[in-house]
Amino acid sequence: SQQGEEDPQALSIQEGENATMNCSYKTSINNLQWYRQNSGRGLVHLILIRSNEREKHSGRLRVTLDTSKKSSSLLITASRAADTASYFCATDQTGANNLFFGTGTRLTVIP
Amino acid sequence: GAVVSQHPSWVICKSGTSVKIECRSLDFQATTMFWYRQFPKQSLMLMATSNEGSKATYEQGVEKDKFLINHASLTLSTLTVTSAHPEDSSFYICSASSPEITLVGGYGTQYFGPGTRLLVL
Repeated sequence: SQQGEEDPQALSIQEGENATMNCSYKTSINNLQWYRQNSGRGLVHLILIRSNEREKHSGRLRVTLDTSKKSSSLLITASRAADTASYFCATDQTGANNLFFGTGTRLTVIP
Repeated sequence: GAVVSQHPSWVICKSGTSVKIECRSLDFQATTMFWYRQFPKQSLMLMATSNEGSKATYEQGVEKDKFLINHASLTLSTLTVTSAHPEDSSFYICSASSPEITLVGGYGTQYFGPGTRLLVL
């Protein structure tokens, strides 16, 4: 399967703490993207990191990419209750015309 | 930013009926649209890719005669679930892309619709 794997599957933290989610994939990629999905809602694009980039920041989000290990991490700093959602990584794979989504991490931030 | 809408957002139907879901790009021309399905607590799975004016490309295991996709214009793609059964109950999400979007957002950038929840009784 070309689908990525994410861990942990579920994460529960206190408001103000940092949350880290990891994504591993199997093939060469052009870029890797992170999405958020609130329960029963559509996807929201968070950040895209290209294969030649190693780290990227956007507000409270920090994404790293290690192409040698075929892995990425998403760090949410100073979490808020509103960050409660499922987070998916998606890879734009070389030679493919679509995104391959990871299995997702369900994040719960407790107020 | 690029906006993609879906209609309806919710649909409940009886087993055996057909349901049509629309996906529209509101402020850009979508040369490519993607249809995904998501079962509860699972990830998105790509069903098919459609390019304007040509037949959709279906992923392995997706029945093309059951999930009819039409991408007749640069702003509209439709997914018709024919003879729907309870096991087709799911969350269907479309996304759209174009050369302009790729140029601005990077290769692989897609904009997603809000999704359509289908419940087949």
